[in-house]
Amino acid sequence: QSALTQPPSASGSPGQSVTISCTGTSNDVGGSSSVSWYQQHPGKAPKLIIYEVTKRPSGVPDRFSGSKSGNTASLTVSGLQAEDEADYYCCAFEVSNNFVFGGGTKLTVL
Amino acid sequence: QITLKESGPTLVKPTETLTLKCTVSGFSMSTTGVGVGWIRQPPGKALEWLAFIYWDEDKRYNPSLKTRLYVTKDTSKNQVVLRMTNVDPADTGTYFCAHRGWENSGWFGNWFDPWGQGILVTVSS
Repeated sequence: QSALTQPPSASGSPGQSVTISCTGTSNDVGGSSSVSWYQQHPGKAPKLIIYEVTKRPSGVPDRFSGSKSGNTASLTVSGLQAEDEADYYCCAFEVSNNFVFGGGTKLTVL
Repeated sequence: QITLKESGPTLVKPTETLTLKCTVSGFSMSTTGVGVGWIRQPPGKALEWLAFIYWDEDKRYNPSLKTRLYVTKDTSKNQVVLRMTNVDPADTGTYFCAHRGWENSGWFGNWFDPWGQGILVTVSS
């Protein structure tokens, strides 16, 4: 089991859009509809923002969207706001019925 | 409202066994489909999935840690317990428990929501 690959950092100015990638294999991201994304502010517990690749829990702004192509899932944050500055983690449910997280991406709002 | 809270020692010596409890409310561990996972985060580092237990006692473990982990549940106490043997300073970090995600339709999926607040565990002599 290897961690999913995310870029260590991403950035954008307020109002802009930014996309964070999450690359795995056919055993996890590519072979699963269960890809989720979590937002974590410093000192806080992670918060679910996307599940089942594209679904958004109630209360999560529609500025957050998810997609997947092959072995790579993506999180797009549109209309960046200052409060979006946080760490973001992807997670996939593997074909072996285990979970695997990505290495995390620190999003900076310039 | 579903809540989870981790408890246990905040300081453990190397080679000892770490026992953490996750006390849950707002749901029963005996309800079909329910599950609770454990995830940890070393200081300044990424999340790492550790273990998962389902309502029917099925258990899953991170393959790289499988020999050191054991997860169990006490439905009467609304608790899920994680044991990690032979701890090392590299096991220092915040340990979270989290509820198996579900939709209002009653369908349980494979994501984590919500999470507990976490407990910081330091392994040091």
